[in-house]
Amino acid sequence: ETGVTQSPTHLIKTRGQQVTLRCSSQSGHNTVSWYQQALGQGPQFIFQYYREEENGRGNFPPRFSGLQFPNYSSELNVNALELDDSALYLCASSHPGTAASGKAFFGQGTRLTVV
Amino acid sequence: KQEVTQIPAALSVPEGENLVLNCSFTDSAIYNLQWFRQDPGKGLTSLLLIQSSQREQTSGRLNASLDKSSGRSTLYIAASQPGDSATYLCAVSRRYAGKSTFGDGTTLTVKP
Repeated sequence: ETGVTQSPTHLIKTRGQQVTLRCSSQSGHNTVSWYQQALGQGPQFIFQYYREEENGRGNFPPRFSGLQFPNYSSELNVNALELDDSALYLCASSHPGTAASGKAFFGQGTRLTVV
Repeated sequence: KQEVTQIPAALSVPEGENLVLNCSFTDSAIYNLQWFRQDPGKGLTSLLLIQSSQREQTSGRLNASLDKSSGRSTLYIAASQPGDSATYLCAVSRRYAGKSTFGDGTTLTVKP
């Protein structure tokens, strides 16, 4: 149990639609990162938020966007869904200044299927 | 651009064997390296975290080593059990709490 909760666990959307995925991190974890994991591959970094500001972005188009709220929960929004967006979406939170410096705690992921 | 490679992609062993999973990375300027376990369709469970200044970390039957200069890490699993069957991923971070670059994993099957 990592204390990172993602919702929903599974989702089916139609091509062209928009989707919002949610992540609730552990208390005090002010850094959250989002990853996309296609079947059979390792997770790919989408972006990171630190204290409500975007703090780094991977090679993903602008239709992937995010938010981090004052309580450090986060959302990933994807517009104009494409079939290739079908994947497991993972969020990871981390807390500065802990003994496990830099350790990332991952949620169980949201499985998105685009049809 | 950091690239992480894991060899082998898949491994099948009988129960009780000791085994080694390999991870290599192209840019040695890392902050830390983390090994994860992933069960099918599930999220990632952190197994071991090695800071760039460390050489190894141990947890139970698991031991991970890091040779930053050569860009290599190994995960050693002693006395493997069927419950160890999963995909093992390694990830490196360039800076504190920065983005992690992952390998594609090694899928381990331990046969009873």
